[in-house]
Amino acid sequence: EMQLVESGGGVVRPGGSLRLSCEASGFTFDDYGMSWVRQVPGKGLEWVSSINWKGFSIDYADSVKGRFNISRDNAKNSVYLEMSSVSAEDTALYHCVKLGVSAARSYMDVWGKGTTVTVSS
Amino acid sequence: ETVMTQSPATLSVSPGERATLSCRASQGVAYSLAWFQQKPGQAPRLLISGASIRATGIPARFSGGGSGTEFTLTISSLQSEDFALYYCQQYYSWPLTFGGGTKVEIK
Repeated sequence: EMQLVESGGGVVRPGGSLRLSCEASGFTFDDYGMSWVRQVPGKGLEWVSSINWKGFSIDYADSVKGRFNISRDNAKNSVYLEMSSVSAEDTALYHCVKLGVSAARSYMDVWGKGTTVTVSS
Repeated sequence: ETVMTQSPATLSVSPGERATLSCRASQGVAYSLAWFQQKPGQAPRLLISGASIRATGIPARFSGGGSGTEFTLTISSLQSEDFALYYCQQYYSWPLTFGGGTKVEIK
């Protein structure tokens, strides 16, 4: 069974930093692109960032560009999201998502349950 | 940015009836359109990719159609487990964008 398990969420002060991790299992991790998608409770879905299978093709939503950094370690079957200069607008449930192909831009076929990030002083 | 607009925001349907959900893209996305189902407290689940290709394990009562800027998701005969929130998403161009969602509720 394909599975994605996120960790690293928590409470962080405005302007602070946080690193989210996502460990994958049940599929050949380095064959697929990966994404992060966030959701404010009771609100819709917002794509955050994507990375292709090798990590050389990356893109970000304008709302996080320059502040967030996505990376992956294929040896550890893991993808990461480094968040910095966070603000209240970054408060959300962050889902790790497997893409359907090796590219960074594709449909999202497996979702993790998410890890919650709360930005508060 | 390609803006995705879903309608209606809420759809009230009786069990066994047909439901048709719409999704419009502000610019053409070819067939690069996916549909997701989300239930309270759960992560979204992929239903359809490529505008009309059902994901593994998705029942045949779910069907997707359209191309370019106009898309539909049809649930042919609503079951109790189908009452949920549905999102469309385009992956034709950056940034990837989602619609605001359609809630399918019991009439």
